[in-house]
Amino acid sequence: SQTIHQWPATLVQPVGSPLSLECTVEGTSNPNLYWYRQAAGRGLQLLFYSVGIGQISSEVPQNLSASRPQDRQFILSSKKLLLSDSGFYLCAWARGVTEAFFGQGTRLTVV
Amino acid sequence: RKEVEQDPGPFNVPEGATVAFNCTYSNSASQSFFWYRQDCRKEPKLLMSVYSSGNEDGRFTAQLNRASQYISLLIRDSKLSDSATYLCVVTSGTYKYIFGTGTRLKVLA
Repeated sequence: SQTIHQWPATLVQPVGSPLSLECTVEGTSNPNLYWYRQAAGRGLQLLFYSVGIGQISSEVPQNLSASRPQDRQFILSSKKLLLSDSGFYLCAWARGVTEAFFGQGTRLTVV
Repeated sequence: RKEVEQDPGPFNVPEGATVAFNCTYSNSASQSFFWYRQDCRKEPKLLMSVYSSGNEDGRFTAQLNRASQYISLLIRDSKLSDSATYLCVVTSGTYKYIFGTGTRLKVLA
């Protein structure tokens, strides 16, 4: 069966510090991968998605970037965090347009 | 206009009640539709896919109306454990999943 791992679960970072969140998927090959952010009390905002190694589509211009160095690995990064980067970051995978499955999320607080 | 719109609620209903949520979407080319459930501070989890012919899973029934561009979720015989936020999801283009902001449901004892 397929599983998705996302870490860390919680992170507190100072303004201006770098960020690296990692997501890996097991049990499937060539998944579509996604990064979403959910601000407190808000909906899920699609940040990036990837349909293959090295292929990244950005949905919202911002202080973040994504990379897919391996088929089942998706990384979300920032060189300098802003207060507005705080939120609940969720990684997801899907095959085609079937249902998407989410990791357990990283709750990021920028202080 | 947002791509996917939902009434944020909250819907406060007694145990055993029937409750219905609607969701509208703006992209007539959308192909796939889903309802997800999100508990507080947790990741969203798939509740059910929504098919053109409608589908039922136990106490949950989902309907799709392509002509009016809305989907619905009906929950019968509500349980306390049904309290959560229900997210409407629509695909946009080939790969993108667009989420509504969610409808909060509170089932009261």
